[in-house]
Amino acid sequence: QVQLVQSGAEVKKPGASVKISCKASSYAFNKNGLTWVRQAPGQGLEWMGGISADHRDPNYAPRFQGRVTMTTDTSTRTAYMELRSLRSDDTAVYYCATQWRLNYFDPWGQGSLVTVSS
Amino acid sequence: QSALTQPASVSGSPGQSITISCTGTSSDVGDYSSVSWYQQHPGKAPKVMIYDVNNRPSGVSDRFSGSKSDNTASLTISGLQADDEAQYYCSSSTTSSTVVFGGGTKLTVL
Repeated sequence: QVQLVQSGAEVKKPGASVKISCKASSYAFNKNGLTWVRQAPGQGLEWMGGISADHRDPNYAPRFQGRVTMTTDTSTRTAYMELRSLRSDDTAVYYCATQWRLNYFDPWGQGSLVTVSS
Repeated sequence: QSALTQPASVSGSPGQSITISCTGTSSDVGDYSSVSWYQQHPGKAPKVMIYDVNNRPSGVSDRFSGSKSDNTASLTISGLQADDEAQYYCSSSTTSSTVVFGGGTKLTVL
């Protein structure tokens, strides 16, 4: 089964950008989509968007449209999520997960904490 | 897109059964057979327990089952065990080709 390993914690200032990576352990990466979900401290899960199995068509949640970019590098089996114009309420743990269908995510990465603070 | 509605908390004793509800609208839960349930222990990543309303991934105990009626989906856990104590989230695809999660339910095993 694919395992996903994410990049480490980041501390950013308001207005900056962050780019998180998510590396897959096997070539099954090229057969499934990849989704991103975030979780603010003490809060629930929030779907940010995903990228299709052919790694060509990202599908972003409306509230992140224009501020997020999701890409993949199939040669290194790595997915990236860049979030721009960071605000304090973007402080959260960001997860990547293999997307088997639009709404079936398995497995998940370990999470990357992003702290936005001046 | 509004979050799906789940009870904030449920509880049960070991060996008992509990059910967690997840209410949406005709634009999400009611429109698709695409409801998933995730279990999250503190400090850990979520783990899928049910997908497509009532399907269990390989390795998930058959004590976990899912169902749906109109705009409400349900997760039932039978034979409660101490390790079932966790946060549970439902999710659904939507008519806008997005995904919406529920607010989460904390399950306490008494």
